[in-house]
Amino acid sequence: AQKITQTQPGMFVQEKEAVTLDCTYDTSDPSYGLFWYKQPSSGEMIFLIYQGSYDQQNATEGRYSLNFQKARKSANLVISASQLGDSAMYFCAFFNDYKLSFGAGTTVTVRA
Amino acid sequence: DAGVIQSPRHEVTEMGQEVTLRCKPISGHDYLFWYRQTMMRGLELLIYFNNNVPIDDSGMPEDRFSAKMPNASFSTLKIQPSEPRDSAVYFCASSLIQGQETQYFGPGTRLLVL
Repeated sequence: AQKITQTQPGMFVQEKEAVTLDCTYDTSDPSYGLFWYKQPSSGEMIFLIYQGSYDQQNATEGRYSLNFQKARKSANLVISASQLGDSAMYFCAFFNDYKLSFGAGTTVTVRA
Repeated sequence: DAGVIQSPRHEVTEMGQEVTLRCKPISGHDYLFWYRQTMMRGLELLIYFNNNVPIDDSGMPEDRFSAKMPNASFSTLKIQPSEPRDSAVYFCASSLIQGQETQYFGPGTRLLVL
């Protein structure tokens, strides 16, 4: 089974600053995908960003960017210019063999 | 466009009762997934369907759980009989194709078994 690790259970960030959420994975397969989802207190799962293992460039979606380091097997999420609405749980997910495996999540709290 | 629809949003039941959770995927999506989220185990894939056919149910915890997809626009997850340890949030998600296609999640059903 694939293993995906998020080592930061919780983080605080000042409004307007950037925050980096760590995600590492363990696989021997060359083809896979990495997703980040946001889960606010209301409970829904919101897709943020996707990175394919063969993608040459790091994925970006608005204020979200993915720092993909394939050799280190890491796919960190960077949120720039944090907003109060960014306070939520963030999940990294590994896609391979038709399945999506989620990390334990990181809770981000944005302070005014 | 409507997203993934789940019902009910909240369910409270007593141990031993049958529980049925419902899901309507995004129109045109060929894949449907059922997940369970708990504090102890996080998000787990229970089962997924492709074109209404169950492909992998290895995540279904035990025989008390069953899932069906009678047509492209409807799926159910049934627990019979329910137990307190089944209390969790159950998510349905759908994607257009398999591979690296994004899965879009429904709002979830919060189940509490007393």
